[in-house]
Amino acid sequence: DGGITQSPKYLFRKEGQNVTLSCEQNLNHDAMYWYRQDPGQGLRLIYYSQIVNDFQKGDIAEGYSVSREKKESFPLTVTSAQKNPTAFYLCASTFGWTGTEAFFGQGTRLTVV
Amino acid sequence: GQQLNQSPQSMFIQEGEDVSMNCTSSSIFNTWLWYKQDPGEGPVLLIALYKAGELTSNGRLTAQFGITRKDSFLNISASIPSDVGIYFCAGHDNYGQNFVFGPGTRLSVLP
Repeated sequence: DGGITQSPKYLFRKEGQNVTLSCEQNLNHDAMYWYRQDPGQGLRLIYYSQIVNDFQKGDIAEGYSVSREKKESFPLTVTSAQKNPTAFYLCASTFGWTGTEAFFGQGTRLTVV
Repeated sequence: GQQLNQSPQSMFIQEGEDVSMNCTSSSIFNTWLWYKQDPGEGPVLLIALYKAGELTSNGRLTAQFGITRKDSFLNISASIPSDVGIYFCAGHDNYGQNFVFGPGTRLSVLP
């Protein structure tokens, strides 16, 4: 079945550590996105990528980094520079560069311990 | 930046009742989307709207794209327990890569 797979489902990070969240899609979608979700707020865009080896900062990119070496994969690294990383992270993809229907993965809940 | 407002913020209804929620924006959008999110899961796309005035149904769900292109509403008829969750609206301007999401309406269905 086609879809977007995020892993792990739950992730715990110690202060000062970098962690990487995985996002893989087999929908042949061109564009991929990372969003952060906090209680009571709309999704906020961290990074997006329209094509392999290219990505753009979203509204809250500070403390995060991404790569897009393959069309299917868009991993997100939460660095130690992100001061408040505890959140639910969602990966999404759209067909084409200007796709208007975003499809989401199951999410990764990151907790700082 | 652009923001969407959703109302109500939360609602409690009896099983079998109809539900109505809406989404408003200070900006015009060319696409409106409605998503449902279950606890601890990713949002699932319910309905996509592409034209002002468009009315689209998906089973017991009906959504409309407002004439002004600054609002949309979602109706759920004859609610059932599995309708429980958070319903998000999203707008897209069709030009950039920017989806704008509302904060969600949390729906609880009482048996």
